[in-house]
Amino acid sequence: ELKVEQNPLFLSMQEGKNYTIYCNYSTTSDRLYWYRQDPGKSLESLFVLLSNGAVKQEGRLMASLDTKARLSTLHITAAVHDLSATYFCAVDMGDDKIIFGKGTRLHILP
Amino acid sequence: GAVVSQHPSWVICKSGTSVKIECRSLDFQATTMFWYRQFPKQSLMLMATSNEGSKATYEQGVEKDKFLINHASLTLSTLTVTSAHPEDSSFYICSANRGVTGELFFGEGSRLTVL
Repeated sequence: ELKVEQNPLFLSMQEGKNYTIYCNYSTTSDRLYWYRQDPGKSLESLFVLLSNGAVKQEGRLMASLDTKARLSTLHITAAVHDLSATYFCAVDMGDDKIIFGKGTRLHILP
Repeated sequence: GAVVSQHPSWVICKSGTSVKIECRSLDFQATTMFWYRQFPKQSLMLMATSNEGSKATYEQGVEKDKFLINHASLTLSTLTVTSAHPEDSSFYICSANRGVTGELFFGEGSRLTVL
């Protein structure tokens, strides 16, 4: 059974600081997703990582994937308040069935 | 713009009634769609895989008679919560694979409150 573990589950940080969210998964997969969810809303796709060593960046967010270590990271650079949200990683089990981590609730203090 | 649309966004119903939630792929055909359930401040839990033209595949612990899924066309899947009870109150989200990019898109979600 595939397990997806995120840490930390809750993160409070000051604006302007950098931080990293980690996503570990237990079995082989060739596709990993990062999503953002605002309160009361659905999921917004941030990144799709398809291969070992993949790195993608969008604004202050950068995601990477190490399939050998079964680890993905979401790095936040110089955080701003607008990035406050819950971030989920999700791993493809095959046939597009994906399993989500528990999510990281990010709260950025002004 | 949205590529997967859900309706309704909000629904309140009395206990014992049935509620239908629709999930549509707007500009592509989706032979497979997925239904998730999310409780407050928790993660998404996969309920079932909806397969066009065949029976849905339910995850362990999900009552198939309680959560009826129909995928009658390549652009529409429906989830019907039958004889709803307060414990069925939740946020239900569907998703579909657009295919070209390998990316899964999610609907806006449907918040069900059972009184």
